[in-house]
Amino acid sequence: EPEVTQTPSHQVTQMGQEVILRCVPISNHLYFYWYRQILGQKVEFLVSFYNNEISEKSEIFDDQFSVERPDGSNFTLKIRSTKLEDSAMYFCASSAMGYNEQFFGPGTRLTVL
Amino acid sequence: QQQVKQSPQSLIVQKGGISIINCAYENTAFDYFPWYQQFPGKGPALLIAIRPDVSEKKEGRFTISFNKSAKQFSLHIMDSQPGDSATYFCAASPGTSYGKLTFGQGTILTVHP
Repeated sequence: EPEVTQTPSHQVTQMGQEVILRCVPISNHLYFYWYRQILGQKVEFLVSFYNNEISEKSEIFDDQFSVERPDGSNFTLKIRSTKLEDSAMYFCASSAMGYNEQFFGPGTRLTVL
Repeated sequence: QQQVKQSPQSLIVQKGGISIINCAYENTAFDYFPWYQQFPGKGPALLIAIRPDVSEKKEGRFTISFNKSAKQFSLHIMDSQPGDSATYFCAASPGTSYGKLTFGQGTILTVHP
């Protein structure tokens, strides 16, 4: 069964450092998403991406964040200068159509020290 | 108005019992309502979803009931099993977006043997 994969599973970084979280969406999907979940809290939408551009972003997704689909398979989330409050689980998701089921990856746990 | 309110925060059920989790929303633009199941350390997994053109959807032991006029929907888990012990999230998405999901706060379900 096709699945969304994410690397690394756990990333530890120092405050102010740049991190890149990587995702491989399901191969025939066209819509891609990043969500985050602070420990013990609900899952929050960050950004959606379609046709090589951002289609929607939340207020959390400020200038420190960027997304990219550098090739036909990967989808990345970059945080330019990490803050302590960026510590969370980051989930990538993909869907075949925007108005359809989203499938989530296992997540990357980001710890900012 | 974008919020989805979920209750209860935690639920303990005996094996074989019925688990009921409720969600309420205010945004009338929401028209896709999925439920996700999340085990510790894993990403949310789509369990079942409903659109507002039907009042109920059943898949195996899982049923969504939807009340459009009350802007409420609920998940019923029949014959609950210890393996159902997980965190359950309701979510909602407006048809006008590229699939952005707004999640509820989550319900930690524990099914005792």
